[in-house]
Amino acid sequence: DAGVIQSPRHEVTEMGQEVTLRCKPISGHNSLFWYRQTMMRGLELLIYFNNNVPIDDSGMPEDRFSAKMPNASFSTLKIQPSEPRDSAVYFCASRVEPAGQGHGYTFGSGTRLTVV
Amino acid sequence: EDQVTQSPEALRLQEGESSSLNCSYTVSGLRGLFWYRQDPGKGPEFLFTLYSAGEEKEKERLKATLTKKESFLHITAPKPEDSATYLCAVGTSGTYKYIFGTGTRLKVLA
Repeated sequence: DAGVIQSPRHEVTEMGQEVTLRCKPISGHNSLFWYRQTMMRGLELLIYFNNNVPIDDSGMPEDRFSAKMPNASFSTLKIQPSEPRDSAVYFCASRVEPAGQGHGYTFGSGTRLTVV
Repeated sequence: EDQVTQSPEALRLQEGESSSLNCSYTVSGLRGLFWYRQDPGKGPEFLFTLYSAGEEKEKERLKATLTKKESFLHITAPKPEDSATYLCAVGTSGTYKYIFGTGTRLKVLA
């Protein structure tokens, strides 16, 4: 299994530009999570999808952030317009729900976003 | 408010010098406590899940234990390859969400 695949690995963009981050979850996993990691705040949940449906987007910081999951094998996180304070590492994670005994998330390798 | 606190923030050990990392939590109903390892430039890698006080899990040089208020990750005779950030997270009853601590950065010197 290739694991959770994220692209791009690194993104540098200018303030005001649109940024799109992509995620392919593990085949058969029906739940997908987008997290943001910074030194100050650690890992923060942005949005959670179950069976391709957004269940909770309360962690999305502002209307500038949006996420979609058009099918079971693909999700995007978009920031428009981007701002320097959006600079962070963005992780996608997936798992099977309901979670079996001892089952944690599988994380992707992340996208390091730098907004200048 | 549900909260997870990890200590210390950073730890330097000599190879072979055993130690413990702490994860204390305050949640309304524990649905599981999870330990992850994160290497630089990578996503967190799942290590263990603990569900009830008294439970223990082991993997190689790592052993995780759980009480009603905290969890410990014991590292026995660590090697340089154990250097990483160790994260703990808790799941709470009635929710799918995990609350993550900010991690302990472990450096094991040869």
